[in-house]
Amino acid sequence: SQTIHQWPATLVQPVGSPLSLECTVEGTSNPNLYWYRQAAGRGLQLLFYSVGIGQISSEVPQNLSASRPQDRQFILSSKKLLLSDSGFYLCAWGGQRNTEAFFGQGTRLTVV
Amino acid sequence: AQSVTQLGSHVSVSEGALVLLRCNYSSSVPPYLFWYVQYPNQGLQLLLKYTSAATLVKGINGFEAEFKKSETSFHLTKPSAHMSDAAEYFCAVTTNRDDKIIFGKGTRLHILP
Repeated sequence: SQTIHQWPATLVQPVGSPLSLECTVEGTSNPNLYWYRQAAGRGLQLLFYSVGIGQISSEVPQNLSASRPQDRQFILSSKKLLLSDSGFYLCAWGGQRNTEAFFGQGTRLTVV
Repeated sequence: AQSVTQLGSHVSVSEGALVLLRCNYSSSVPPYLFWYVQYPNQGLQLLLKYTSAATLVKGINGFEAEFKKSETSFHLTKPSAHMSDAAEYFCAVTTNRDDKIIFGKGTRLHILP
């Protein structure tokens, strides 16, 4: 069966520090991968998605970047965190078009 | 581009009462629609999905939703609310022309004893 792993569960980082959040999927190949951010009152905001290795689509211009170095690995990064980067970050995977997404447990990021 | 609008950021119902969470979509091509539930500090769990087959879709935990093209709606219902239904619910949309899945802003469901 397919599983998705996302870590860490919580993270407190100072302003200006770098960020790296990792997500891996097991039990499937060539998944679509997604990074969402959840902030109070704003629902789930799609940040990045990827349909294959090295293929990244950015939805919202911001202080973050994403990479997909391997088929089932998706990384969210920042060189210098801002206070506004605080939020709940969710990684998800999906099949081809028209299929649902399956979510990891999320990372609660607090920038201080 | 497709989008969904969830009416009501907070909904309160009494235990045993009907649950109705509203979702309207916008899409220039036939949509595929989903409802998810999120418990505090957890990821999202799929409740049900509409994929152009039956317009009335049954999901887990007694929830169901009806796709109404004329109203561009996909409202979520449950006949009798339980305390355990208290959570945040998200409607989402995608199409066969897009790799993105777009979510609404969510509705927090409160169950009153």
